[in-house]
Amino acid sequence: AQSVTQLGSHVSVSEGALVLLRCNYSSSVPPYLFWYVQYPNQGLQLLLKYTTGATLVKGINGFEAEFKKSETSFHLTKPSAHMSDAAEYFCAVNPVMNTGFQKLVFGTGTRLLVSP
Amino acid sequence: ETGVTQSPTHLIKTRGQQVTLRCSSQSGHNTVSWYQQALGQGPQFIFQYYREEENGRGNFPPRFSGLQFPNYSSELNVNALELDDSALYLCASSPDRSVGNTIYFGEGSWLTVV
Repeated sequence: AQSVTQLGSHVSVSEGALVLLRCNYSSSVPPYLFWYVQYPNQGLQLLLKYTTGATLVKGINGFEAEFKKSETSFHLTKPSAHMSDAAEYFCAVNPVMNTGFQKLVFGTGTRLLVSP
Repeated sequence: ETGVTQSPTHLIKTRGQQVTLRCSSQSGHNTVSWYQQALGQGPQFIFQYYREEENGRGNFPPRFSGLQFPNYSSELNVNALELDDSALYLCASSPDRSVGNTIYFGEGSWLTVV
C-alpha cells in the first residue's frame, strides 16, 4: 500500500532562515504529490501539488517543492521563514492507479515552529 | 466563490449515540470526500462520493456511512459512536473525481465522544 513518510514531527527555525520539510513516498510508480498546511483549529489549505511536467513546483506563500523520482522524495522548502509560517504541514499522495477515485494518503505531519 | 463549508463546528456526543455531520461542497464541484483526523495524526480517508454514489471507501467500518445530494452537498453519519471516534472530521470537494485534481478542504467538524 502507498505510504508517506515525513521525517521530523517538529522542525524549529529562526525567522529569516531556510525552511526544509522532508517527505518521502513509497511507490514504484510516482504518484501525484501534494503539500497542505493546517493552521491551529483550521482545515487544510493546499500549498502546492505535482502531477506531471516540471519537477520544481512553486506554491503559495513563497513555498516550493522538488519532485525527485530517484529519491522518491518531494521535500518542501522556503528560502526565508516568517512568523506566520508556523503551522502543521502535511505531505500527501494520490496514487496514479486510482483511476476515477481520489484518495489522499497523508503523512503524519510536521509542525513548523518559527522563533523571532 | 464560496468554499467548502461544514456544520456543526463542534459537538459532543455520548458513546453509543449517532451523529450526522454536514458539508456543502464548493460551487461547481461534484465530488465530495470525508476524512477523519485524530489528534496529532494526519487525515485518514473515509469515503468519496461522486454524483450521489459512493465510489471509493477507506478502511472504516460500515457504521460510517454517507450521502450525497443532487446539489452535491453531503452528510457523514456515524452510528454506535465509540470513544475512538473523537476526531476532526474534514469534508473535501473537487471539481470532478480525476486523480490529479486539487482537493479543497473545509474547516472541519470537531467531534468529542464521552
